[in-house]
Amino acid sequence: QVQLVESGGGVVQPGGSLRLSCAASGFTFTTYGMHWVRQAPGKGLEWVTFIGYGDGSNKYYADSLKGRFAISRDNSKNTVFLQMNSLRPDDTAVYYCAKGAPIDFDFWGQGTLVTVSS
Amino acid sequence: QSALTQPPSASGSPGQSVTISCTGTSSDVVAYNYVSWYQQHPGKAPKLMIYEVSKRPSGVPDRFSASKSGNTASLTVSGLQAEDEADYYCSSYAGSNNFVFGTGTKVTVL
Repeated sequence: QVQLVESGGGVVQPGGSLRLSCAASGFTFTTYGMHWVRQAPGKGLEWVTFIGYGDGSNKYYADSLKGRFAISRDNSKNTVFLQMNSLRPDDTAVYYCAKGAPIDFDFWGQGTLVTVSS
Repeated sequence: QSALTQPPSASGSPGQSVTISCTGTSSDVVAYNYVSWYQQHPGKAPKLMIYEVSKRPSGVPDRFSASKSGNTASLTVSGLQAEDEADYYCSSYAGSNNFVFGTGTKVTVL
């Protein structure tokens, strides 16, 4: 069955960086795009970024991120990454990776919590 | 890109039906038949319940149905059960490789 396991979350100071990972299994990873979606504490879902299938040359980001985040994938490890730079307190959230259907988010990981605080 | 508008809460007794609305714009809900719905229990990951406006993934009970008219999509849960109590989010493709979620609706089974 499809499994997505996020890791890499933690506490980081404002202005710092963090790299999240999402290990995928149970499906042919190279044939699906992958998303990151975040959820601030007590708030709703917010789409963050998408990387296309195959070599991942197609990458799209929410306008609000203003180039601070970067998505990538390593097909040899069935893993997608989210590099987050210049972190701000309002980036505090649970970050989920989700399998792209491709327009829908058909399977989700359990999420990893990122807290940006001094 | 603004979030799609959902009512904050909805409720119904066991066995009854509840309908949740999701209002968007001409740039998202109106323009694309890519509206999906997600169920999220407290502390859990979201689960896809409906995709492409009205299609149910395998394993989702047929008590869950959905439709779209103009700028508003709707999710109906019939025959409410205790396990249906959760937060529900709609989502739409918004063009230019962007995606937007709804504000979320908390469904309470009375």
